[in-house]
Amino acid sequence: TQLLEQSPQFLSIQEGENLTVYCNSSSVFSSLQWYRQEPGEGPVLLVTVVTGGEVKKLKRLTFQFGDARKDSSLHITAAQPGDTGLYLCAGTGLSGNTPLVFGKGTRLSVIA
Amino acid sequence: GAGVSQSPRYKVAKRGQDVALRCDPISGHVSLFWYQQALGQGPEFLTYFQNEAQLDKSGLPSDRFFAERPEGSVSTLKIQRTQQEDSAVYLCASSQQTSASTDTQYFGPGTRLTVL
Repeated sequence: TQLLEQSPQFLSIQEGENLTVYCNSSSVFSSLQWYRQEPGEGPVLLVTVVTGGEVKKLKRLTFQFGDARKDSSLHITAAQPGDTGLYLCAGTGLSGNTPLVFGKGTRLSVIA
Repeated sequence: GAGVSQSPRYKVAKRGQDVALRCDPISGHVSLFWYQQALGQGPEFLTYFQNEAQLDKSGLPSDRFFAERPEGSVSTLKIQRTQQEDSAVYLCASSQQTSASTDTQYFGPGTRLTVL
């Protein structure tokens, strides 16, 4: 069974601070996705990383896929209250048509 | 355009009751997924349809859970004889293509089921 561990589980920071959240596994994934979920809503896809070492930027968010494709990180620069939410990583396995495996998420709270 | 919709948004059931949760995917999307998200957890895969065919039901926790998509569009997740451990948010997602994992999945808002 492929597992994704996310850390930290909870994070509360002041507006303007930088932060990094992590998604780690002992398994290799063909790709990793990051989602953001707000209360009462379903997850919304932010980015998909496919190549080991890949870095993608989405405004103030920077996503990185580890060289060995076992881990990923999400860095937010100058966090804003609108960034508050649950950040989930999800992996796709190497073996064909397997379903997405989600981590438990990092719950981020940005205080104005 | 319309996204994935789910109904009801909230459902309270007494233990032992049967419930039916509905998912309306994005029109034309081939694949449809059901997930269960317990409080404080990430979504966990339940089952996957490609059109009307249920290709993977490995995540269904027991034989009390049953899903169907008879015409390849709307799907219903049925839970028989609900138990307290069934309390969770049930998420539906659809994707345009046929891959179980690599295509972008669009999620509905979920149905929050509370079993008393």
